[in-house]
Amino acid sequence: GQSLEQPSEVTAVEGAIVQINCTYQTSGFYGLSWYQQHDGGAPTFLSYNGLDGLEETGRFSSFLSRSDSYGYLLLQELQMKDSASYFCAVRDDYNKLIFGAGTRLAVHP
Amino acid sequence: KAGVTQTPRYLIKTRGQQVTLSCSPISGHRSVSWYQQTPGQGLQFLFEYFSETQRNKGNFPGRFSGRQFSNSRSEMNVSTLELGDSALYLCASSQQGGPNEKLFFGSGTQLSVL
Repeated sequence: GQSLEQPSEVTAVEGAIVQINCTYQTSGFYGLSWYQQHDGGAPTFLSYNGLDGLEETGRFSSFLSRSDSYGYLLLQELQMKDSASYFCAVRDDYNKLIFGAGTRLAVHP
Repeated sequence: KAGVTQTPRYLIKTRGQQVTLSCSPISGHRSVSWYQQTPGQGLQFLFEYFSETQRNKGNFPGRFSGRQFSNSRSEMNVSTLELGDSALYLCASSQQGGPNEKLFFGSGTQLSVL
């Protein structure tokens, strides 16, 4: 079957750095994406990795290792507004976007 | 540019009824996909439409169906509702539905089945 594993919850303090890991097992792979969703809100796109390596967008970075079927999202200089759920997602052989169950990040003062 | 619009925002139905949800994608986007979101389960893929054709389907029973119109607006229908169908239903659009395209999500329709 197809699965994406990510931690269910992560807690951090303002200003800190947090890493959210994602391992995947899917039929085919066409890139790893990350989405953020605040409570009651719509998921919004954060990043996409099609090739191995690090992609940086402001305070957020995302990494992919296709040989390890692994990626992570790195959030730096955490702010209270970063408290949200973060989902990794993989595009499979059938062009379906398969999502993980999400990681709930709580940022404390 | 207007975002993805879903209507209605909230819906309460009883078991056995049917429901139709609507999604208007961003102008110019031809791919519309639907997801079911329940607490702790993430987003479960329902189906994707492109140019009025269903291009992909997830592992949901036949009670879940959808369609797309020539203006790319999409509807999904759930017949013979069950309690377990209570969820947030999200639709997302992208230009072509390509592998590296980001999805733009609507705010969803919260369906409660009593």
